[in-house]
Amino acid sequence: KQEVTQIPAALSVPEGENLVLNCSFTDSAIYNLQWFRQDPGKGLTSLLLIQSSQREQTSGRLNASLDKSSGRSTLYIAASQPGDSATYLCAVRRVDSSYKLIFGSGTRLLVRP
Amino acid sequence: DGGITQSPKYLFRKEGQNVTLSCEQNLNHDAMYWYRQDPGQGLRLIYYSQIVNDFQKGDIAEGYSVSREKKESFPLTVTSAQKNPTAFYLCASQEASGPYEQYFGPGTRLTVT
Repeated sequence: KQEVTQIPAALSVPEGENLVLNCSFTDSAIYNLQWFRQDPGKGLTSLLLIQSSQREQTSGRLNASLDKSSGRSTLYIAASQPGDSATYLCAVRRVDSSYKLIFGSGTRLLVRP
Repeated sequence: DGGITQSPKYLFRKEGQNVTLSCEQNLNHDAMYWYRQDPGQGLRLIYYSQIVNDFQKGDIAEGYSVSREKKESFPLTVTSAQKNPTAFYLCASQEASGPYEQYFGPGTRLTVT
């Protein structure tokens, strides 16, 4: 059974700091992995999708890496800003069930001015 | 603009009443999903539909029902049999072909008293 874990559950950093959010999964037979952002009381916004054959994906100040063999993905945020404050969720899609995403419980990020 | 709409944003009901949450998409996606989110937890899959007139139970389908009569619409009914219906409900849709990226609506917060 695939399980997805995100540690820490909450993180507080000063503005301008570079930071890394972690996501681990128990079964390496994944099709891809998606990182989302969720603002309080809102839906999820897709940030990056990284295919199992890829090592990383970049969008602006965000960089997601994937190490399938160790069951880990990281989301790197450069030069953090208060507007980056949100909950970040990762989700994996298994090879044998492309229809289904399995979510971690998220990391709640606060960037202090 | 293409996207997913959910209505209403907030919904209040008395215990014992059925309630229907609306989800509409104009992304021309075949697959649609309903998730439930509780505080501090990841998303749990309630029901999904990969094609019109067909749907499957997710991980927590008890006390819920759905229909998929049109490609654009996937309403969720929360019945009186659902023991803890108060939650944040998210609708999503997904591309029919790889990489199967999922897109989310803004959510409906249901409070049952």
